[in-house]
Amino acid sequence: LQLQESGPGLVKPSETLSLTCAVSGGSISSSAYYWGWVRQSPGKGLEWIGSIYYSGTTYNNPSLKSRVTISIDTSKNQFSLKVRSMTAADTAVYYCARALFSVGMDVWGQGTTVTVSS
Amino acid sequence: EIVLTQSPATLSLSPGERATLSCRASQSLSSYLAWYQQKPGQAPRLLIYDASTRATGIPDRFSGSGSGTDFTLTISSLEPEDFAVFYCQQRRNWPLTFGGGTKVEIK
Repeated sequence: LQLQESGPGLVKPSETLSLTCAVSGGSISSSAYYWGWVRQSPGKGLEWIGSIYYSGTTYNNPSLKSRVTISIDTSKNQFSLKVRSMTAADTAVYYCARALFSVGMDVWGQGTTVTVSS
Repeated sequence: EIVLTQSPATLSLSPGERATLSCRASQSLSSYLAWYQQKPGQAPRLLIYDASTRATGIPDRFSGSGSGTDFTLTISSLEPEDFAVFYCQQRRNWPLTFGGGTKVEIK
């Protein structure tokens, strides 16, 4: 199984970030897994952004308030992240990951760097 | 939100030495704790889940222990490729949270 993030590397302040994670080598519709996003600001630790189940049920980190939307497209075997009202504090490497409910995040994408700057 | 506190922040050791990393939770996790390793420029890699179960392909020099609020990751004898940053992560409650990380560096 492989995960690949895609999206813009540069976003202007106040704009919306849109990232997609394409899943290959397995089905995103499996009931055993859920799919999530994690980010890492430069030189900092890991921050969980949110997760989604194939049914569309989502779990988001309250620290990002209501700026985050995670969606899933089972027909394209991919899931997506939108973060609204981006600021410099949202500059980070964004990772997508697969998780097993009983295990944790066992497969990760390589990460994509997003910089917020005018 | 469950806060995870990792210590020490940095561990300076030589290859062949034993590494002991700590993760303390602000409330009981039962055994719902995982450990990840992250090398520079790479995504995290799952090492341990449910506090003590090694993930697929993880060498047996890595071991995890603990339950409740106190957890330990032990690397019995450090190999050159083990030097990295290690994070703990809880799945007891939403939101999922990570510890701040422990960097294991070459002395």
